[in-house]
This record gives sequence, C-alpha cells and structure tokens, in this order.
Amino acid sequence: DTEVTQTPKHLVMGMTNKKSLKCEQHMGHRAMYWYKQKAKKPPELMFVYSYEKLSINESVPSRFSPECPNSSLLNLHLHALQPEDSALYLCASTKFRGGGGQDTEAFFGQGTRLTVV
Amino acid sequence: GQQVMQIPQYQHVQEGEDFTTYCNSSTTLSNIQWYKQRPGGHPVFLIQLVKSGEVKKQKRLTFQFGEAKKNSSLHITATQTTDVGTYFCAGRASTGGTSYGKLTFGQGTILTVHP
Repeated sequence: DTEVTQTPKHLVMGMTNKKSLKCEQHMGHRAMYWYKQKAKKPPELMFVYSYEKLSINESVPSRFSPECPNSSLLNLHLHALQPEDSALYLCASTKFRGGGGQDTEAFFGQGTRLTVV
Repeated sequence: GQQVMQIPQYQHVQEGEDFTTYCNSSTTLSNIQWYKQRPGGHPVFLIQLVKSGEVKKQKRLTFQFGEAKKNSSLHITATQTTDVGTYFCAGRASTGGTSYGKLTFGQGTILTVHP
C-alpha cells in the first residue's frame, strides 16, 4: 500500500465552523506533513511531524491546529477560518524527515479542497 | 531563508517539441526532487538527485543536478499530450538547524502540449 488517504475530498465551511481534515498512511513512514496550495502556486509547507512530534511549524495562524495521534494518522483542526484560507490542503509522508542521502520520496494524498464562506 | 526559483512559469509547446524547465537555489542543496502535478491532481514524485553533477534518465525525461548542487533541470524530449501538467522542483537544504530536512518547492512550470 503506497497511498496517502485524505478525507474529506471537498469541504465547505463557514467562518464560525469547526472542522477537521484527516490523513492516513500505512507505509510505516515516520514523517508527515501538511501543505497548503493555492491555484497555480506551489505547495506551501505548514507543519512537519517527525516520530509523532511536531518538528516544524511555519508560523501558521493558530486557527489551524495539527495533531498526530499515532504514526499513521495526521489531523488538521480548523476553527474560525477566513475566506483567504480557501485552498487545496495536501498531506504528505516520507520515510524519515529527510536530509542527505537517506532522503526518500514524498507521497502526497489527493488533498482536501476547502472553501470558506 | 532558502529560496528555490524555477523558470519558465508557463510553457506552451506543440506535440513532439522538446521542453526544459530550470531550477535555481539560493543555497547549496542536500538533494533535489522533481514532482509532476496533473490538472486537478496532487504532486507525484518523479525522481531524486543527490550527487553533484548527477544525470538521470526516465524514458523521455532527463534530469540534471549542477556541480555546485544549487541548480537542476528537467528536459522532456518529444513531448506528448500526456506530459501536460505542472512540474515542480523541490530542494532540501544541506545545513542543519530547525529547518533540517525542509523541502522547498520551486514556483513550478505549467506545461501545455498542443496536439
């Protein structure tokens, strides 16, 4: 199984709603990532988890709250979002956090297309 | 912080023509990866280059990593309509610190192939 599964595929939420995005992988990867991607732009790193611990937070607003319950699951909790937060949210995983020759490919999920109204 | 520049932003070609996209990093890279994202899809890994001056081929695709490990290119020979999509380079910094292992994406090149 070389898949990263994200749910839901589409989400429309109001600015006062609370919702969660879910990501799952069963490849034994120990690093998991959240990216945000706007149309015609590259993926923009939000968070990195390594061995279930938050390793990198790219100064993301607190209305985005990541959680890594175990080595296979990654959640992104959303609260009080703004319309400009509408984007494709991508989850990815790699065998390790990476660097040097040990680096491996990143497997991306299909993403959650989020619309904030 | 590390920046990865990629050009061109857009490329329109006739089917059968060649295509090249270039990537330049502001800092020396540990390695560089290339991804393809089809319209409406998600990034899919193509290849990783690690060694200075490395060249790798995948059928019609040729990837190069510069001698200084700060630039890279992807060349597609005789494009096909199935090559349509956005091609991203992504570099990992070679220095340590809190950004260890962070993958920085270039802006991407959107390739359109006209039949």
